[in-house]
Amino acid sequence: QKEVEQNSGPLSVPEGAIASLNCTYSDRGSQSFFWYRQYSGKSPELIMSIYSNGDKEDGRFTAQLNKASQYVSLLIRDSQPSDSATYLCAVNGGPGGFKTIFGAGTRLFVKA
Amino acid sequence: GAGVSQSPSNKVTEKGKDVELRCDPISGHTALYWYRQSLGQGLEFLIYFQGNSAPDKSGLPSDRFSAERTGGSVSTLTIQRTQQEDSAVYLCASSFDRQNEKLFFGSGTQLSVL
Repeated sequence: QKEVEQNSGPLSVPEGAIASLNCTYSDRGSQSFFWYRQYSGKSPELIMSIYSNGDKEDGRFTAQLNKASQYVSLLIRDSQPSDSATYLCAVNGGPGGFKTIFGAGTRLFVKA
Repeated sequence: GAGVSQSPSNKVTEKGKDVELRCDPISGHTALYWYRQSLGQGLEFLIYFQGNSAPDKSGLPSDRFSAERTGGSVSTLTIQRTQQEDSAVYLCASSFDRQNEKLFFGSGTQLSVL
């Protein structure tokens, strides 16, 4: 079992729709969870972080965490073509919680 | 510096040669990470440093790979006797040495082994 699993996609949604991205992780001791966005040919950049169960909203983005189910998700409301990218789920684990492990990423296409 | 700096940005080498990749983290960041990303794939964890120490080297693919960090700043990733399967983008990231800190990535080194 991979440490962090994501559906590779691609996920295609029309402009203005809600995009839903999902991630599961194996280390029950993980404490911090991140979503990074990576445009083609570019480096990843952080868009959301979440540390406690529930929802966290930031503009059009909402991260959801359920530690009991070892599940993290990212919702993108009012999706725009500029949101088309690969979304990487990342989880901190290991001694001290400094080891950041990434999922393989989900490719999102937003159709105009 | 203003951001994480990696050099070279591109490296083409012949199979069997050794290569050194360099990472200069953001000033004040004491945690430093190396990842490898093959075309169309996710980020493969290689190693991370807290200061000059590497608590977890489990991601290094083989004993041909090594990394060091000196002075709590610049890090070098060395690949000996390169193979074609080593071709990938090597990404470096840094963060403050605290839990729950986000990573800041460099632009990567595109390594091509012919």
